[in-house]
Amino acid sequence: SAVISQKPSRDICQRGTSLTIQCQVDSQVTMMFWYRQQPGQSLTLIATANQGSEATYESGFVIDKFPISRPNLTFSTLTVSNMSPEDSSIYLCSVAERQGLYEQYFGPGTRLTVT
Amino acid sequence: GNSVTQMEGPVTLSEEAFLTINCTYTATGYPSLFWYVQYPGEGLQLLLKATKADDKGSNKGFEATYRKETTSFHLEKGSVQVSDSAVYFCALSGNNFNKFYFGSGTKLNVKP
Repeated sequence: SAVISQKPSRDICQRGTSLTIQCQVDSQVTMMFWYRQQPGQSLTLIATANQGSEATYESGFVIDKFPISRPNLTFSTLTVSNMSPEDSSIYLCSVAERQGLYEQYFGPGTRLTVT
Repeated sequence: GNSVTQMEGPVTLSEEAFLTINCTYTATGYPSLFWYVQYPGEGLQLLLKATKADDKGSNKGFEATYRKETTSFHLEKGSVQVSDSAVYFCALSGNNFNKFYFGSGTKLNVKP
């Protein structure tokens, strides 16, 4: 299975600023995803990061707030823009690999606190 | 549409107790079913999976059977350890395999 790393692992940011989270995979993968996990909650899919084209956002998430880049098949970034305390969450990168069926593998997450 | 419902936690057990975490699903077509585990401060790890009715997924002493007639995929372990303390997520992937649906998660606390 793919090994996924994320940077930073955690950060404390001021309201109104932006943070870019990096996701690096040790192999080429077609599908990469970004999730948000609010404290004590389940995962909410933000978007699918498409290589060479714009990300596909889920309902309730917009590109201006969560711009995503996917320059190649092993790397993606998620920016959380103009942050507010409501953006305090864990942000998780994942990839889907076909092992007979599709399986998702997750990075360790980025714990973001906005003050 | 597709959705997953898990029993609410937290679940608190003594070491060596029997564990069941209930999971039911709603799906169109024939989904694949998964259990993920999230240890404190970490991302999610795939624990086990099943792809069709009556399949049993198993790993690290955990088991779950895909029951189409009851649309369930309950997680069980015969004897839990303190190290099993974590949050467990049930998930399904539908016909559009790149989209996963997660349950709300169940926190398990195992006391010595």
